[in-house]
Amino acid sequence: AQSVTQPDIHITVSEGASLELRCNYSYGATPYLFWYVQSPGQGLQLLLKYFSGDTLVQGIKGFEAEFKRSQSSFNLRKPSVHWSDAAEYFCAVGASGSSNTGKLIFGQGTTLQVKP
Amino acid sequence: GAVVSQHPSRVICKSGTSVKIECRSLDFQATTMFWYRQFPKKSLMLMATSNEGSKATYEQGVEKDKFLINHASLTLSTLTVTSAHPEDSSFYICSAKSVDEKLFFGSGTQLSVL
Repeated sequence: AQSVTQPDIHITVSEGASLELRCNYSYGATPYLFWYVQSPGQGLQLLLKYFSGDTLVQGIKGFEAEFKRSQSSFNLRKPSVHWSDAAEYFCAVGASGSSNTGKLIFGQGTTLQVKP
Repeated sequence: GAVVSQHPSRVICKSGTSVKIECRSLDFQATTMFWYRQFPKKSLMLMATSNEGSKATYEQGVEKDKFLINHASLTLSTLTVTSAHPEDSSFYICSAKSVDEKLFFGSGTQLSVL
């Protein structure tokens, strides 16, 4: 069965510091991988996604993620965090194949706190 | 960019009443819409998948009679929580898939049942 694990429930970083949020997935075939950000009481905004091709994916707001099949990971990174990045971050996996696009399995989420 | 409007954003109701939540794709046709439920500090759990003009497909453990989903048009899906109880209190989020298979999320509805 598909599953997504985000090992870090809560992370605090200083503004300007680098950030890495971990995501591990379990899926038998080639996964579709996503990172979403959620501000309090809001819906989800897509940061980036990986379907195929280059394993280093660039997203919005300066985020990037690297797909590592050997480690079943899709970690999210940002070189310099801004205070506005404080939010909840969700990693998700979707089944490959057009008929399943949109049916996502989400990780537990990582709460990012940014210190001044 | 594409927008998915979810209404209401927040609703408080008495136990035993029914609540309807709307999910609209404002500038695109949504072939499929998805309904998720999110508990505090928890992940999003897929409840059901709805396709326009057909019955929704519910995930295991989700009560079909409790959570009624209607996808009457290519731009509107509704989730009705029937005979709501305090344990139904949660954050409900919809997402809509466009014809070119992009996915967009609504802003969510916080349901509080007293």
